[in-house]
Amino acid sequence: DQQVKQNSPSLSVQEGRISILNCDYTNSMFDYFLWYKKYPAEGPTFLISISSIKDKNEDGRFTVFLNKSAKHLSLHIVPSQPGDSAVYFCAATGTSGTYKYIFGTGTRLKVLA
Amino acid sequence: TAGITQAPTSQILAAGRSMTLRCTQDMRHNAMYWYRQDLGLGLRLIHYSNTAGTTGKGEVPDGYSVSRANTDDFPLTLASAVPSQTSVYFCASSANRNQPQHFGDGTRLSIL
Repeated sequence: DQQVKQNSPSLSVQEGRISILNCDYTNSMFDYFLWYKKYPAEGPTFLISISSIKDKNEDGRFTVFLNKSAKHLSLHIVPSQPGDSAVYFCAATGTSGTYKYIFGTGTRLKVLA
Repeated sequence: TAGITQAPTSQILAAGRSMTLRCTQDMRHNAMYWYRQDLGLGLRLIHYSNTAGTTGKGEVPDGYSVSRANTDDFPLTLASAVPSQTSVYFCASSANRNQPQHFGDGTRLSIL
């Protein structure tokens, strides 16, 4: 039972265009969501997060949108750069419970120069 | 800045042998975690610790044990390795609940 789903294993985008990565979740107790970026042979690196009290959080070129009714979040990268090419994981947790974070399976983004 | 240090970087181990993966953090974070990453399955939580002296089971705890004797160290032990434990193992820490996790660079473990 995959509680956090990233249905697109891969995505290719032209440099300068927008990259949109999607994530769906099933557990209504989740109220804190994060995106991580991972390069080969390195550990995941935290990118941006959002609490369920918000529907948008922005940090430079990265924006995360949360649609609680649809149990859906997305990461927008504008403009996309070749250095953004990596695997992106979304993760979710319920802050009133344990410290457990549930990760999606990841989306490999390739930004074409 | 060290952050999270994992050792070894990689290891080949014969099935049936035991192995301890080491993890040390220098950020004085309360919580620590062990994940395994497998192709098509993403990151799955093995065990976690909310604070020194306590541990809990994650999604895939069978065949693994952990201890948290102090704040900085969170070793993961495979008592009797099996080939299905071939994976990349990541240790992580977070200051508290609702805080992002910081990850080490992983240990690539192959069980033959």
